[in-house]
Amino acid sequence: GAVVSQHPSRVICKSGTSVKIECRSLDFQATTMFWYRQFPKQSLMLMATSNEGSKATYEQGVEKDKFLINHASLTLSTLTVTSAHPEDSSFYICSAGTLGVQPQHFGDGTRLSIL
Amino acid sequence: DAKTTQPPSMDCAEGRAANLPCNHSTISGNEYVYWYRQIHSQGPQYIIHGLKNNETNEMASLIITEDRKSSTLILPHATLRDTAVYYCIVRVPDYGGSQGNLIFGKGTKLSVKP
Repeated sequence: GAVVSQHPSRVICKSGTSVKIECRSLDFQATTMFWYRQFPKQSLMLMATSNEGSKATYEQGVEKDKFLINHASLTLSTLTVTSAHPEDSSFYICSAGTLGVQPQHFGDGTRLSIL
Repeated sequence: DAKTTQPPSMDCAEGRAANLPCNHSTISGNEYVYWYRQIHSQGPQYIIHGLKNNETNEMASLIITEDRKSSTLILPHATLRDTAVYYCIVRVPDYGGSQGNLIFGKGTKLSVKP
């Protein structure tokens, strides 16, 4: 099946650091990539949707200046958490999809811990 | 908000069939039903999807009622590795250049027991 690679799988860093997470679709070209956040014992919450070459669309309440999304190609999207603080600690998950009914496929997530 | 309702938890004996129900009574005519599962500390894994016909693949079967207001995911022979949270999601495919969002509800936590 389709493979989405997400890197790194775990990050621990100090407050104030910026952290970049990569999401790659390895065996297909993704027209759209999605970024989710999941807090402990909660479901996935969509943060933003990005299409290659255009600005990301952010969900209500998600700060676009804090969560920078770049979708440079049909196989790569990055999420940068700028000036991260402890409250940004969470499990971040990306997914990639193509047109039509075909399902989105998810990466294995990045566990971000801000000290 | 999610447009589906699922029981919060279910148990199943190893080797038996696991039948996970999902209610989507407000589904519209062009919305598909997708099932994903999430094993602890991993990203969601796609299982199966369908519109109105029953579907089967190597992982599971999907039974959709004739009125499309509910569906059931069937894992024919559950194993301990099938323990996960299972999400039922309805979504409209977007053919206009971007894909429809997946809105996750709380899902069903399936525990397969030896």
